[in-house]
Amino acid sequence: TQLLEQSPQFLSIQEGENLTVYCNSSSVFSSLQWYRQEPGEGPVLLVTVVTGGEVKKLKRLTFQFGDARKDSSLHITAAQPGDTGLYLCAGAPTSGSRLTFGEGTQLTVNP
Amino acid sequence: DAGITQSPRHKVTETGTPVTLRCHQTENHRYMYWYRQDPGHGLRLIHYSYGVKDTDKGEVSDGYSVSRSKTEDFLLTLESATSSQTSVYFCAISAPRYNEQFFGPGTRLTVL
Repeated sequence: TQLLEQSPQFLSIQEGENLTVYCNSSSVFSSLQWYRQEPGEGPVLLVTVVTGGEVKKLKRLTFQFGDARKDSSLHITAAQPGDTGLYLCAGAPTSGSRLTFGEGTQLTVNP
Repeated sequence: DAGITQSPRHKVTETGTPVTLRCHQTENHRYMYWYRQDPGHGLRLIHYSYGVKDTDKGEVSDGYSVSRSKTEDFLLTLESATSSQTSVYFCAISAPRYNEQFFGPGTRLTVL
């Protein structure tokens, strides 16, 4: 069974601060996805990283896939209250169709 | 937005009663999934389907069954609901490339 450890579990920061969320595993993934979930809604896909060492940017969000494709990070620059939500990472196996989800990081950005 | 709906959105039931949750998609995707989400456990896979009448178990399948008689519908049944099945249930479909998943709005189930 593949496991994804996500840290920190909770993060409360002030508007304008930077933050990084980590997603780590001992397993290799063919791709890694980041989702964001708001209260009362389903997770929404933010980005998929596929190549080891890949970096993708989505406005103030920067996603990186580790060189060995076992870990990933999400960095938010100058966080805003609208970034508040649950951030989930999910790894796709090298074979099969089942994603492995991390437990999530609950981010609160205070005005 | 991916065309995924779930019904009901909220349900309260009593221990021992059967419950069926419905997931409907308009995207004609082959793969569909049922997850439950609980504090401290993240999203856990219950069952998934890779085609009409083709289903397989996930990591927390005990006490649940599924059926898929049409591409667009995936049903999750709690055969005899227990309080431990109180949770939020999400249905998802996946795109063929990279298995990117698109989630429904969820069903909040409370078993008293």
